[in-house]
Amino acid sequence: NAGVTQTPKFQVLKTGQSMTLQCAQDMNHEYMSWYRQDPGMGLRLIHYSVGAGITDQGEVPNGYNVSRSTTEDFPLRLLSAAPSQTSVYFCASSYGAGANTGELFFGEGSRLTVL
Amino acid sequence: TQLLEQSPQFLSIQEGENLTVYCNSSSVFSSLQWYRQEPGEGPVLLVTVVTGGEVKKLKRLTFQFGDARKDSSLHITAAQPGDTGLYLCAGNTGNQFYFGTGTSLTVIP
Repeated sequence: NAGVTQTPKFQVLKTGQSMTLQCAQDMNHEYMSWYRQDPGMGLRLIHYSVGAGITDQGEVPNGYNVSRSTTEDFPLRLLSAAPSQTSVYFCASSYGAGANTGELFFGEGSRLTVL
Repeated sequence: TQLLEQSPQFLSIQEGENLTVYCNSSSVFSSLQWYRQEPGEGPVLLVTVVTGGEVKKLKRLTFQFGDARKDSSLHITAAQPGDTGLYLCAGNTGNQFYFGTGTSLTVIP
């Protein structure tokens, strides 16, 4: 019953460093997505994927890269971390591309601090 | 651009009181969902509404989707401490979910 697994749970970076947040799901979901959550702003979509080999940008994609080489994994890369990227990051998946009415299953989040 | 605005942002009430949370937008959504999030965890789905004017009830929670599919409300009857959490609405426009700003609810025993 793993569901959506995110690693690491906590990370501190210095400005300019790069890192990858990992996300894996074991529910064979086609749709996967990354959000960031900041106080008073709810969840904002960074990137999403409707299947292996297909990715697209969300509301706030700048400074982030993604790839989807397998159905299970959807890593989020920060190329050159900035203090503005300090946030809590959530990965979510859903059955079916488009997920028109599908439920989003979330991981527990990764708390990132950029100094 | 924040497509969905929730109100109120914070709500602190006594156990047994009723409350309503609003989720408003100028955009039309194909469906709208409500999630609840507890500290240190990811959001968990409460309900999905699809049809304009639709009303769904889950025990003490009543969800309504506006006729024009632009807004929604969540009404809780006789709130309990276990209802404490962050409530988020989310509108779907094809492949993208847009989340509201969130309502932080505290129910005091």
